[in-house]
Amino acid sequence: EIVMTQSPATLSVSPGEGATLSCRASQSVSSNLAWYQQKPGQAPRLLIYGASTRAAGIPARFSGSGSGTEFTLTISSLQSEDFAVYYCQQYNNWPPGYTFGQGTKLEIK
Amino acid sequence: QLQLQESGSGLVKPSQTLSLTCAVSGGSISSGVYSWSWIRQPPGKGLEWIGYIYHSGSTYYNPSLKSRVTISVDRSKNQFSLKVSSVTAADTAVYYCASLLTAIQAFDYWGQGTLVTVSS
Repeated sequence: EIVMTQSPATLSVSPGEGATLSCRASQSVSSNLAWYQQKPGQAPRLLIYGASTRAAGIPARFSGSGSGTEFTLTISSLQSEDFAVYYCQQYNNWPPGYTFGQGTKLEIK
Repeated sequence: QLQLQESGSGLVKPSQTLSLTCAVSGGSISSGVYSWSWIRQPPGKGLEWIGYIYHSGSTYYNPSLKSRVTISVDRSKNQFSLKVSSVTAADTAVYYCASLLTAIQAFDYWGQGTLVTVSS
């Protein structure tokens, strides 16, 4: 099983600043990597797929990069609505499987 | 756009079977564009993929749950279902149904989630 490790567990940032979240895979997942945002009491929302493609309706301040085992989600100029928990998720070709990282909580500093 | 809505029992006794249904609207469950998935989240913890059913009826499950999980589809009602047998307290979680967009292999639409508690 591919293990996804996110860092840091918690990131404290002031509104208006940028944030960089990391996700590492235990083995190469190519570009089969997605990012989700989850707010308290809500379902996750897809932000990024294919490591770097923004999902429909996602603001341009969200960007993803990386391939293989190292991935980054960057949020520029944080807005109040961006403070949430972020998960990365990998897709394994065969057998089909999907694993999530443990999440990074982005909190207001 | 798709809308998904979970329903089912919120309280299940240990050793019994958890049963949930996800009603899909805004699209056909027979579409080859999507696979239909279940994902769960224990209170205060992260996300765990349970499995999915493809439009053809093929199913794929998380190996850690495979022996206890069944996902099925009811095309006449445009819905799909989850059964987890022999539940324990460790199965207490918010259960989400979600659409897996085949082209991008990511979960693009989610239900609001339903809390299932395993307790006697």
